[in-house]
Amino acid sequence: AQSVTQPDIHITVSEGASLELRCNYSYGATPYLFWYVQSPGQGLQLLLKYFSGDTLVQGIKGFEAEFKRSQSSFNLRKPSVHWSDAAEYFCAVGPWNRDDKIIFGKGTRLHILP
Amino acid sequence: EAGVTQFPSHSVIEKGQTVTLRCDPISGHDNLYWYRRVMGKEIKFLLHFVKESKQDESGMPNNRFLAERTGGTYSTLKVQPAELEDSGVYFCASSPGLAGGLNEQFFGPGTRLTVL
Repeated sequence: AQSVTQPDIHITVSEGASLELRCNYSYGATPYLFWYVQSPGQGLQLLLKYFSGDTLVQGIKGFEAEFKRSQSSFNLRKPSVHWSDAAEYFCAVGPWNRDDKIIFGKGTRLHILP
Repeated sequence: EAGVTQFPSHSVIEKGQTVTLRCDPISGHDNLYWYRRVMGKEIKFLLHFVKESKQDESGMPNNRFLAERTGGTYSTLKVQPAELEDSGVYFCASSPGLAGGLNEQFFGPGTRLTVL
């Protein structure tokens, strides 16, 4: 079955601390992986995506993610979080080679302590 | 280039009423998708249009939901009659199709629907 698991529903970190959000996926073909962010009152914004090539992907706002095929993981990281990073983060997977739906995880809500 | 737009941004209706959500995809995008997120759950696929045709409507929850994409441009999603469990955020996304590259979908800001 195709699925995305984000094991952490809520994460709280202090401003300036490092962040890692976990994501595991189950997908029957070569996955096209995404991280989206939804800030309060805003829509879904694409942070980064991965299909092939270097397994460490750089995104916007200083985020990066690492694809590990052996672990079926695509964890999101940021070296130093800012208060404006407080939002909900969604990992997602879809097919790269056909026009088809994307499957989302349940999301991780990030809280930032001042 | 304008992104995906959705209207309205918020809608509050009473149970039993009808609501119509609209999505304008990026110009030239053949693929249009509807997703929704109900409270506390994941974002789930509803249906997929290729131009004006329904490619996949396997995610539509029941026959109270009707989606159209006349002319292959904008799309509407009608809920009639609305029930309490329909409350949530409805997202629209569009993509150019594989001829334009990978299956990258661009999302709109969503419509927050509240059914009282």
